[in-house]
Amino acid sequence: ILNVEQSPQSLHVQEGDSTNFTCSFPSSNFYALHWYRWETAKSPEALFVMTLNGDEKKKGRISATLNTKEGYSYLYIKGSQPEDSATYLCAFHWTGNQFYFGTGTSLTVIP
Amino acid sequence: EADIYQTPRYLVIGTGKKITLECSQTMGHDKMYWYQQDPGMELHLIHYSYGVNSTEKGDLSSESTVSRIRTEHFPLTLESARPSHTSQYLCASSDPYSLTDTQYFGPGTRLTVL
Repeated sequence: ILNVEQSPQSLHVQEGDSTNFTCSFPSSNFYALHWYRWETAKSPEALFVMTLNGDEKKKGRISATLNTKEGYSYLYIKGSQPEDSATYLCAFHWTGNQFYFGTGTSLTVIP
Repeated sequence: EADIYQTPRYLVIGTGKKITLECSQTMGHDKMYWYQQDPGMELHLIHYSYGVNSTEKGDLSSESTVSRIRTEHFPLTLESARPSHTSQYLCASSDPYSLTDTQYFGPGTRLTVL
């Protein structure tokens, strides 16, 4: 089982604050890095998939960067809103075809 | 939008009972997966399938079994439930021909065995 680490484990921010989380993964046998957003009682929802070193993806106020050489990805949320409250999961997709998930970062945005 | 369904959403059952957790998808995806998640822990792959009549065990050992008789259906069965099986079970599917092989998840079944 490969080790994927996410930090911080949980985060409370005020509405309007910007925030970021980290996903660390093995730097060898990389195929892709996936970010998911998981709201309570709902299905995890795919946010981004990143495949190339230096990739940057953006969807509204959320963006992500990827460094495959050093094995990390950052997820940024600009101007957090209460509806951004969720657990953000990253998954390392290695060349052996399986996904390895981190434990997630639980974000609470306080109005 | 992903169309993948799991039933039941919540199940509380006594030790020794046989249970089947249902998972269905309407996207025609060949690949399907079952993950188990204990509180505060990662999702761990317990079973996967590449298509009809294909099933494989994942990295995390599990006493459950799966079957894949139809593309859209991937049920998970526990012959004799025990308290150690208490966990959340998530089903997912993906299109192996897509570039990214993104997995689409169901809402999960939260199982409690008393």
